[in-house]
Amino acid sequence: DIVMTQSPDSLAVSLGERATISCKSSQSVSYSSNKKNYIAWYQQKPGQPPKLLIDWASARESGVPDRFSGSGSGTDFSLSISTLQAEDVAIYYCQQYFNTPPTFGGGTRVEI
Amino acid sequence: QVRLVQVGAEVKKPGASVRVPCKASGYTSNTYAITWVRQAPGQGLEWLGWISANNGHTDYAQSLQGRITMTIDRFTSTAYMDLGSLRADDTAVYYCASFVRGGAFAVWGQGTVVTVSS
Repeated sequence: DIVMTQSPDSLAVSLGERATISCKSSQSVSYSSNKKNYIAWYQQKPGQPPKLLIDWASARESGVPDRFSGSGSGTDFSLSISTLQAEDVAIYYCQQYFNTPPTFGGGTRVEI
Repeated sequence: QVRLVQVGAEVKKPGASVRVPCKASGYTSNTYAITWVRQAPGQGLEWLGWISANNGHTDYAQSLQGRITMTIDRFTSTAYMDLGSLRADDTAVYYCASFVRGGAFAVWGQGTVVTVSS
């Protein structure tokens, strides 16, 4: 199984500042044939299911604010929130869907 | 608009079985799959398996082989996850989510709380 390692475990950021979360996979999750990176980022708020923010490492879902951005390739990926808003307080998970079983990182708690 | 509806909560005794339903709406074809993910209290996300709405093909997490079964009733567009021989560490919120072939989990249900306690 591909192991997904997120860092940090938690992050405190001031309102309006940038938050950056790292996600590393134990093997490449990119296909050279289609140049796609099989990485998704989810946001989970208390008492709610996860919400897909970004797939293919950098493609924002419809309705996701543009302050959220994803980047990376191969085994190293990151999620950035450019100007943190109060409503961004949540736990963020990365996931690889390159191989079965799909696996998640341990999560990063973002706080103000 | 695609929706997955999960309702309620279940309390089961150790050794019992549970069936968790997930009703899909808004799909115009069967070119999607339903996956199941669980989250133990205060913990992260654990993938349990998936089932194709098109042909019923399943794939399960190795750790649950023999205890888990996923089915789809195409007439009612309802997916089911059956988990048997329940243990205390099966206590979790069980989510269904949908995706298209090769993609991320785009739509999620609200989750069903399953508590295993004697």
